[in-house]
Amino acid sequence: DTGVSQNPRHKITKRGQNVTFRCDPISEHNRLYWYRQTLGQGPEFLTYFQNEAQLEKSRLLSDRFSAERPKGSFSTLEIQRTEQGDSAMYLCASSLAGRDRFNFGPGTRLTVL
Amino acid sequence: QKEVEQDPGPLSVPEGAIVSLNCTYSNSAFQYFMWYRQYSRKGPELLMYTYSSGNKEDGRFTAQVDKSSKYISLFIRDSQPSDSATYLCAMSAGTGNQFYFGTGTSLTVIP
Repeated sequence: DTGVSQNPRHKITKRGQNVTFRCDPISEHNRLYWYRQTLGQGPEFLTYFQNEAQLEKSRLLSDRFSAERPKGSFSTLEIQRTEQGDSAMYLCASSLAGRDRFNFGPGTRLTVL
Repeated sequence: QKEVEQDPGPLSVPEGAIVSLNCTYSNSAFQYFMWYRQYSRKGPELLMYTYSSGNKEDGRFTAQVDKSSKYISLFIRDSQPSDSATYLCAMSAGTGNQFYFGTGTSLTVIP
């Protein structure tokens, strides 16, 4: 069990650019979640996958955001035409179906200038 | 009204003190409850997990759930400076549902 990993750990970009983040879950975990956390707030749900199927999306996930988990293993989160309001920590978590607890990765901190 | 309410603090206690952290919630369907610890600029780390009402103890940590009052607590005994972090509560209605988080309580344990 090597834990959930996320890359990159930090990303600084200019407004209007596209960014992509990657999450590698714990290997046997079939559920994968994306959350966003801003300073002084708790994590807010964005979306979750069971295997390769995206089962739920939050209203926070505007059409500039897209998430994929093509083979049911790693996942990517892409933000197109970034805005300053997208600056946040993007957290990935994974779990095993039927076990309602999950492990977070270290997060990707995005700064949009 | 937010799904989960948590006093953000900050809370400052001397080393060795007993710390009590609390969350209230509005959704009576919540039945899975977790506490996470988050150090600055790091991802949250799972501390305690509880299903339904009752108490759970793990070392210096005790989690309590009172579903009738929609109130959960985390107690830390013999607090240490290394316990200084933000503590987040999280809860869910059931398998596969999203978890709702509190805003976190910032704790500082003074040596």
